[in-house]
Amino acid sequence: DGGITQSPKYLFRKEGQNVTLSCEQNLNHDAMYWYRQDPGQGLRLIYYSQIVNDFQKGDIAEGYSVSREKKESFPLTVTSAQKNPTAFYLCASRSRGSSSSGANVLTFGAGSRLTVL
Amino acid sequence: AQTVTQSQPEMSVQEAETVTLSCTYDTSENNYYLFWYKQPPSRQMILVIRQEAYKQQNATENRFSVNFQKAAKSFSLKISDSQLGDTAMYFCAFMKHGIRNNNDMRFGAGTRLTVKP
Repeated sequence: DGGITQSPKYLFRKEGQNVTLSCEQNLNHDAMYWYRQDPGQGLRLIYYSQIVNDFQKGDIAEGYSVSREKKESFPLTVTSAQKNPTAFYLCASRSRGSSSSGANVLTFGAGSRLTVL
Repeated sequence: AQTVTQSQPEMSVQEAETVTLSCTYDTSENNYYLFWYKQPPSRQMILVIRQEAYKQQNATENRFSVNFQKAAKSFSLKISDSQLGDTAMYFCAFMKHGIRNNNDMRFGAGTRLTVKP
């Protein structure tokens, strides 16, 4: 089945450590996104990428980094510079195409819960 | 930048009744997409319904329909015959249209809907 796989589902980090969240999709989508969700809040955009080897900062990119070396993969690194990294992280991908019913819709992974100890 | 506002943090409805969730947005764009996503307790984001701004006809998906008022920049979601499985967070989202645009999706803060038996 086509979809988006995020791993790990739960991750614990000590202060000062960098951690990387994995996001892999087999939907052949061009665009990929990372969002952060805090309790009781909406989704805030961290980074997004519309094609391989290109990505743009979202609203809360400070303390995060990404890469897009392959179409299928868009890993997110939470660096020690991120002051409050404990949150739920969602990865998504999107097909780019005509205005058919399936185009321009974000498909989400199941999420990764990061806790800083 | 586009903003999405959901003014109802929490709502409840009796099973089998109808409920309407509100959403307003701010944009200077003429062509864009609007979405409602559902996030049940599993935290998996699920697309409920999608509307293209150039279409005057309101989108419908089974028990879910929208009231899209472009001039008022309003996009409400109506859930008919509410079911217990509709209990979830509901997010309104906006995305600009067009390949050349930075097609990032922006979300509202969400409305927590509880369907009571």
